[in-house]
Amino acid sequence: KAGVTQTPRYLIKTRGQQVTLSCSPISGHRSVSWYQQTPGQGLQFLFEYFSETQRNKGNFPGRFSGRQFSNSRSEMNVSTLELGDSALYLCASSPNGQTESDTQYFGPGTRLTVL
Amino acid sequence: AQSVTQLGSHVSVSEGALVLLRCNYSSSVPPYLFWYVQYPNQGLQLLLKYTSAATLVKGINGFEAEFKKSETSFHLTKPSAHMSDAAEYFCAVSPSGTYKYIFGTGTRLKVLA
Repeated sequence: KAGVTQTPRYLIKTRGQQVTLSCSPISGHRSVSWYQQTPGQGLQFLFEYFSETQRNKGNFPGRFSGRQFSNSRSEMNVSTLELGDSALYLCASSPNGQTESDTQYFGPGTRLTVL
Repeated sequence: AQSVTQLGSHVSVSEGALVLLRCNYSSSVPPYLFWYVQYPNQGLQLLLKYTSAATLVKGINGFEAEFKKSETSFHLTKPSAHMSDAAEYFCAVSPSGTYKYIFGTGTRLKVLA
């Protein structure tokens, strides 16, 4: 099975712009989660989707949003980019989204740089 | 709120020496715990996970971890370090019903020749 794929791998934007990142989960997985990784804050949970519904959201401003499509692919959008949004954005998928028993499988990430 | 603490942001060991990476969790009930490894410019790869089936959990690449409820710990060990083990290691907890992981701050392992 192919792993979790994320596109693009690298992205450079300027302040004020918006950006959309894409994640394709492992085939058959229905849950997709997004995390932001920065040197200062570490790995922080953004949100999780299951069957096109957002089930949980982390403590990020409303500029961060996401969605999931019927084929389980997910996108996250960041509007009005700020310098502090520069980070590695990781997507993870799991079969049923029951994190107590499921394992989350991570993609390689999208490295976003905001200038 | 549940959390994990990783003691030591950087750990150096000699090749062939024991690797010990520390993780302590805070939880009122036994949680689900995970260790992930991240190589440069890559995502996270699962090493092992604790799901209460056994307190000693064996993972990939010769790593194992022991769940100790009395110490609220889930330390990661490997008997003999290899150069290829140099990476960043993350401990994570999955609070029940939240559909998310809470990660520790990570420990960067350096293996000296």
